[in-house]
Amino acid sequence: TQLLEQSPQFLSIQEGENLTVYCNSSSVFSSLQWYRQEPGEGPVLLVTVVTGGEVKKLKRLTFQFGDARKDSSLHITAAQPGDTGLYLCARRGYNFNKFYFGSGTKLNVKP
Amino acid sequence: KAGVTQTPRYLIKTRGQQVTLSCSPISGHRSVSWYQQTPGQGLQFLFEYFSETQRNKGNFPGRFSGRQFSNSRSEMNVSTLELGDSALYLCASSLGVDGSTDTQYFGPGTRLTVL
Repeated sequence: TQLLEQSPQFLSIQEGENLTVYCNSSSVFSSLQWYRQEPGEGPVLLVTVVTGGEVKKLKRLTFQFGDARKDSSLHITAAQPGDTGLYLCARRGYNFNKFYFGSGTKLNVKP
Repeated sequence: KAGVTQTPRYLIKTRGQQVTLSCSPISGHRSVSWYQQTPGQGLQFLFEYFSETQRNKGNFPGRFSGRQFSNSRSEMNVSTLELGDSALYLCASSLGVDGSTDTQYFGPGTRLTVL
């Protein structure tokens, strides 16, 4: 069952452009995580958002958790080629460490 | 501190064979989770082990099994391999405590190809 829908699936932009990636669910979740995965590597955690309406910033990346805790967005300002990768959102299941991942957004930033 | 290591990194097997993959978690981490990643299905949870016990299980057939040793190292086994088992198998370790702040650290994965 696909509990998390990510959009867009693919994004190819020029260096310096801004972009937003979305993660949506029909159900409420207690927290949501964003990961970035580069080719040949495992996903690396970028941020965890817990409170509805929460906004977290990580340099040029801004993460927002929806007020109703059913959706989240990741905004990148002035994208760099180093931002290229697969961006994944994930929610924790009801039991400890059972995580559900979205299908991912594959970002390519061209120099 | 050393990260999560997985061996082997690449593996080629034929249908019907079985395979064992290994994962060494970060020192001090007691939880090890396994995931299968494919282009079609994305990242899917296989199972989680904590203190040598399977604590969570995903929706995979019984051909997929795992275990965890007293030093927290984990292995997963796939028997009677099928073509559809070709995937990147990722292992993640964490402290395993409850709560939204427990962080998973992923290894680089084992790329399994079934011919």
